Amino acid sequence: LAKTTQPISMDSYEGQEVNITCSHNNIATNDYITWYQQFPSQGPRFIIQGYKTKVTNEVASLFIPADRKSSTLSLPRVSLSDTAVYYCLVGDSDNSGYALNFGKGTSLLVTP
Amino acid sequence: GAGVSQTPSNKVTEKGKYVELRCDPISGHTALYWYRQSLGQGPEFLIYFQGTGAADDSGLPNDRFFAVRPEGSVSTLKIQRTERGDSAVYLCASSFIQGAYNEQFFGPGTRLTVL
Repeated sequence: LAKTTQPISMDSYEGQEVNITCSHNNIATNDYITWYQQFPSQGPRFIIQGYKTKVTNEVASLFIPADRKSSTLSLPRVSLSDTAVYYCLVGDSDNSGYALNFGKGTSLLVTP
Repeated sequence: GAGVSQTPSNKVTEKGKYVELRCDPISGHTALYWYRQSLGQGPEFLIYFQGTGAADDSGLPNDRFFAVRPEGSVSTLKIQRTERGDSAVYLCASSFIQGAYNEQFFGPGTRLTVL
């Protein structure tokens, strides 16, 4: 499994754009990059997944440079309800199978 | 539709006792996963079922932990002779088909406290 490194914590004010960068220098050719979000007292929730370039959905955008050694989760105009832990995961269903390797994640605190 | 449900939401037990934690996956999901989450840590993989069989139980910490899924739907995680170090939130997830990079849907977890 490719190891990921992401900041332990981040702070933001409401209405700002938040970018969380994850490093994965050892990413393999078949690996995808996936982000999960976890609110207190809840299980993690899938946010977004990508392989290269840019992916956007109704919740976030994921930017992946050409070398794929890092990725950036972008949350536009955060609100208080975006306070959560965000996990970056790298792997593929063939090699890493099914066991999601969460790490410690980035704890995002959004304040008024 | 209904998501993954887990019961009980909280379980307090004494050291040395036996506990069972239940997971009801999303209907039609063939893959089921158990994770354990300690305070301040991300979830840690325990075991994975594809259908009725445990395809990978390499994450179970020792032989006091066991899980079953007899009919390919509901799963029970069983912990014998509980220890204080077993205290954690136990999360269950399910997905439609095998593979980490198919989205896993998580339940709210069971908070286990061993006194």
